[in-house]
Amino acid sequence: GAVVSQHPSRVICKSGTSVKIECRSLDFQATTMFWYRQFPKQSLMLMATSNEGSKATYEQGVEKDKFLINHASLTLSTLTVTSAHPEDSSFYICSASTTGGQDQPQHFGDGTRLSIL
Amino acid sequence: QKEVEQNSGPLSVPEGAIASLNCTYSDRGSQSFFWYRQYSGKSPELIMFIYSNGDKEDGRFTAQLNKASQYVSLLIRDSQPSDSATYLCAAWAGNNRKLIWGLGTSLAVNP
Repeated sequence: GAVVSQHPSRVICKSGTSVKIECRSLDFQATTMFWYRQFPKQSLMLMATSNEGSKATYEQGVEKDKFLINHASLTLSTLTVTSAHPEDSSFYICSASTTGGQDQPQHFGDGTRLSIL
Repeated sequence: QKEVEQNSGPLSVPEGAIASLNCTYSDRGSQSFFWYRQYSGKSPELIMFIYSNGDKEDGRFTAQLNKASQYVSLLIRDSQPSDSATYLCAAWAGNNRKLIWGLGTSLAVNP
């Protein structure tokens, strides 16, 4: 149980392109989904928290107009990196939780490796 | 600043030995704690979570929590080479409704 699917697994595209990443909870309803970014040999950095039907809450320093998050249903959240540039190249990982609270663990997707040329 | 600290390692143990991974946290308000394993180039996978003081066992893994000392540990019995990975400790920051992550401990199990 608790399977989270993330697509695509890898994206290579030109600078200025917008990239959409999907995160789906396959066998449970995810009230809350989290989007992380991880640079090589560094720990996870939370970008934003999204609750179904609400606007996402972004962490300090994360541009909400650049990283658009939509959580339209209890099983799907999307992250769109708009007008991506080489510095946006990173490993993006989503996680999903049934309640988003302390009583439920987060289950992670397989991640999306984004490379901007 | 709420923090979770881990020794970066690498921690090296022989196959079959017990690996002990430690984590301390600064926020006394944290009530739940999570251990994740992350292989190189992959996303984290949940190993265990613990809410209450004491030990929680699941197969070869035992999580230990001591809230008075603000200390969480993970023991891996009968370590296998496939256990070689980075182990991430995380504490739930209730006020901020998010996990605070440690930087991870790299474990190498030598055959």
